[in-house]
Amino acid sequence: QKEVEQDPGPLSVPEGAIVSLNCTYSNSAFQYFMWYRQYSRKGPELLMYTYSSGNKEDGRFTAQVDKSSKYISLFIRDSQPSDSATYLCAMRAETSGSRLTFGEGTQLTVNP
Amino acid sequence: EAQVTQNPRYLITVTGKKLTVTCSQNMNHEYMSWYRQDPGLGLRQIYYSMNVEVTDKGDVPEGYKVSRKEKRNFPLILESPSPNQTSLYFCASSAYSSGANVLTFGAGSRLTVL
Repeated sequence: QKEVEQDPGPLSVPEGAIVSLNCTYSNSAFQYFMWYRQYSRKGPELLMYTYSSGNKEDGRFTAQVDKSSKYISLFIRDSQPSDSATYLCAMRAETSGSRLTFGEGTQLTVNP
Repeated sequence: EAQVTQNPRYLITVTGKKLTVTCSQNMNHEYMSWYRQDPGLGLRQIYYSMNVEVTDKGDVPEGYKVSRKEKRNFPLILESPSPNQTSLYFCASSAYSSGANVLTFGAGSRLTVL
C-alpha cells in the first residue's frame, strides 16, 4: 500500500466551479503538507505549504489538513482554464530529514 | 532569474551507454535532489544532497550515481542504463532553512533507454 494515496483523475470541471482535490496518507508522523502544481512539460511548482493541522488560504486556493483523519485537501474557488494542470500533494515527517513523499497527482482540466 | 537548469531535456540512448544528466541552480541552495516521475507511481526520490560532498540515497537509488563537488551542481550519472530507467527526471533544490518543503524544480529531462 502506498504511503500517500491520491486519485489520479482525470477531473474535468466547467470554468467557475469549485474544485476539491484530496490525498489520504497512512504515516501519522507526517507534519508538513504541500501542494505542488505541474503544468504539462514543466516541473512542479509549490502552490501551498502548511504545517500540522488547520487551514491556509491564499487567494482562490485553500489548503486543509485533518491529521486525525489523515486527510488533506486543496480547494480551488472560481476555477479558471489556467488552473488546468496536475496537482501533486507531498508530505514530510519532522524526522525524515529532506525526504518528501509525493502523491501520484490529480490531472485537472477547467473548461471555458 | 532564480532557476534550476537541467540538460539534456530529451535524450534517447541504448542499454549500457553511460550518460550524465546535469543540474545547476543559481540560488545558492544547500539542498539538491533528483526525482523520477513515472505514470501510476508519481515522483520518487533517487538521491539527495544536503551540501557539498554530502549525498545520500533516496527511495530508488539503484542504477544511479551522483556527486556534489560544487554547491551549484548536482549531476545524475547512469553508469549502465537499462530500459527500466526510461522515465522523466527532475532535479530540485531548496534552501536549508525551508527544509525540503519549498522545492524549486527544473523543467525535467525525458530519458528513453532502448
